[in-house]
Formats: sequence, structure tokens, C-alpha cells
Amino acid sequence: ETGVTQSPTHLIKTRGQQVTLRCSSQSGHNTVSWYQQALGQGPQFIFQYYREEENGRGNFPPRFSGLQFPNYSSELNVNALELDDSALYLCASSSGLYIDEQYFGPGTRLTVT
Amino acid sequence: RKEVEQDPGPFNVPEGATVAFNCTYSNSASQSFFWYRQDCRKEPKLLMSVYSSGNEDGRFTAQLNRASQYISLLIRDSKLSDSATYLCVVLGEDSSYKLIFGSGTRLLVRP
Repeated sequence: ETGVTQSPTHLIKTRGQQVTLRCSSQSGHNTVSWYQQALGQGPQFIFQYYREEENGRGNFPPRFSGLQFPNYSSELNVNALELDDSALYLCASSSGLYIDEQYFGPGTRLTVT
Repeated sequence: RKEVEQDPGPFNVPEGATVAFNCTYSNSASQSFFWYRQDCRKEPKLLMSVYSSGNEDGRFTAQLNRASQYISLLIRDSKLSDSATYLCVVLGEDSSYKLIFGSGTRLLVRP
């Protein structure tokens, strides 16, 4: 086990609703990255937080937003959900920025109907 | 063009077979490369890093060809437990050092 936890495990939402996903990073890790993995695809980078500041963002619209707390846990918020937002959402934690090994949590499976 | 491209497979091989996966990447400035393994409905897990000189870990061998921007993974003596999706990954070169994943190659090892 990586020590990275995510909640909830599964979630079903309706189009137009808002959702908040949570991630607790591994002890001692101050960097959290979020990825979206659609069925049959590799994970796609959403954004990264380092010491409570956003540090890089992928090609996702502003309705995807995030937050990192002083204990380095993190949230991913998605507003105005669309059907295409249905995916596995993964968070990965690491210690520092230029660290090639990122430890993934088990993911949250979001279904939008 | 995708930043990281892989053959999606599936590769269906018998136990004991040798199988090779290939991957190409588009950014010639990329410096760090990895293979991740992902089991069905689970998170990706680091299988091995890929070094310029090539590296081996038991039955697994990874090779990097910078000139061709090509990465490979060789699995010898396949086991049933090797059945999974193998993701080729490149570390991004911007300030976020994000992981850039290919779509994955699915491997099925049959008895």
C-alpha cells in the first residue's frame, strides 16, 4: 500500500451537479497531483499542488478546481458535471517537485448520468 | 500527435512466452521515462524506471532509444500474474513535472 487514500471510492452524480473528491497524501509528501482516467485511456494530468499552491495545470476547463490544505491533503472540485466527466480520478503524492516517483491512491470512480 | 503513443493490444500470449511492448514519445527534451503496470480497475503502480543504458529487473527489461524517441519493455517467461495493462510514461519537462501517460498496452497471459 502507498499510504495515499482517496474518498469516496465510488460516486454517482447527475449532469449539472457539483462534486468534491478528496485525497490524503502519504506522510511527509507535500506535492499532490490529480489525474483523470477515462475508460480505455491512460491517466491525464489535471493539476498539481505544491505546498498549498497550484503548480501546473493540464488541459482541463476552469470548472475543474482544486485545493491543498496545510496538512497537504487535497480536494478536487468539479462544477457543472458533464457526461464526459465520468472517469477514474486518481491522486498521486510525492515529496518535493522534481521527484520521479509519484505514489497513486486507489482512485475515485465517478459516474455522471 | 499524442505525446506518448503505444499499441493498445491486446497481446494474448501463452505462459512462458516472451513479449515486447513499444512506445514512442514526441518531446525530444524528455529526460525521464517509466513503465507502470495497472490492473483492472486499480491504480497504476510503478514497474520500473527506464535508463539510457537499459535496465533489467528480474524477467523485465527496459530499453531507451533517444535518437528514435522510443522506449521498450520486454517480459520474459510470462506468468499468468503478468496479465495487466502496461503504461508507458514520460516525465513532463515543465515546472510541474507531471507524468504523461500513454493509453496503455493490454497483456493477457493464458495457461
